[in-house]
Amino acid sequence: NAGVMQNPRHLVRRRGQEARLRCSPMKGHSHVYWYRQLPEEGLKFMVYLQKENIIDESGMPKERFSAEFPKEGPSILRIQQVVRGDSAAYFCASSLGRCEAFFGQGTRLTVV
Amino acid sequence: KNEVEQSPQNLTAQEGEFITINCSYSVGISALHWLQQHPGGGIVSLFMLSSGKKKHGRLIATINIQEKHSSLHITASHPRDSAVYICAVCYNTDKLIFGTGTRLQVFP
Repeated sequence: NAGVMQNPRHLVRRRGQEARLRCSPMKGHSHVYWYRQLPEEGLKFMVYLQKENIIDESGMPKERFSAEFPKEGPSILRIQQVVRGDSAAYFCASSLGRCEAFFGQGTRLTVV
Repeated sequence: KNEVEQSPQNLTAQEGEFITINCSYSVGISALHWLQQHPGGGIVSLFMLSSGKKKHGRLIATINIQEKHSSLHITASHPRDSAVYICAVCYNTDKLIFGTGTRLQVFP
């Protein structure tokens, strides 16, 4: 049973481009969480999704950021018109609920 | 003030020493995780606790629900234990709230 798969592991984007981060949860997991780790800062919750539903997006910046978890395929975190301040490590975790958390290896986004 | 407080922020130890990292939180929780992150690496959940004590190899985690406090202990520490250790709490909303982490360096 493969773990949580995130890709790409590293992503470089120029300011103004779009970044798409993908997360394939563990087999059978229907809950996906995205967390962001800014340089030299702690992890912060961004969004919690179940299949085709956003359950809690209280940690998402109001503009440029969106997330989805379609019926088929991976969860996608999309950042439009990236800025330098978006440079961070983005981690996805999946679970069956009940506070479990299985993390992916993260995507390290660098905006140049 | 962070909802989850960890101490110490930085910790250095000689190989073989016993290590304790502490975590306090402010309100009742459903569960608590101890996570490990190596530099530039992914995050691994070492333990998930809702009460009592768990042990895995040289690692021991305890939680006191009444005092809202948890500890992670490493016995016979080794340089490969060098990492950032993060406490994270989970309320009934399922999302995790993280402490700021403890950076541990173990020297041979």
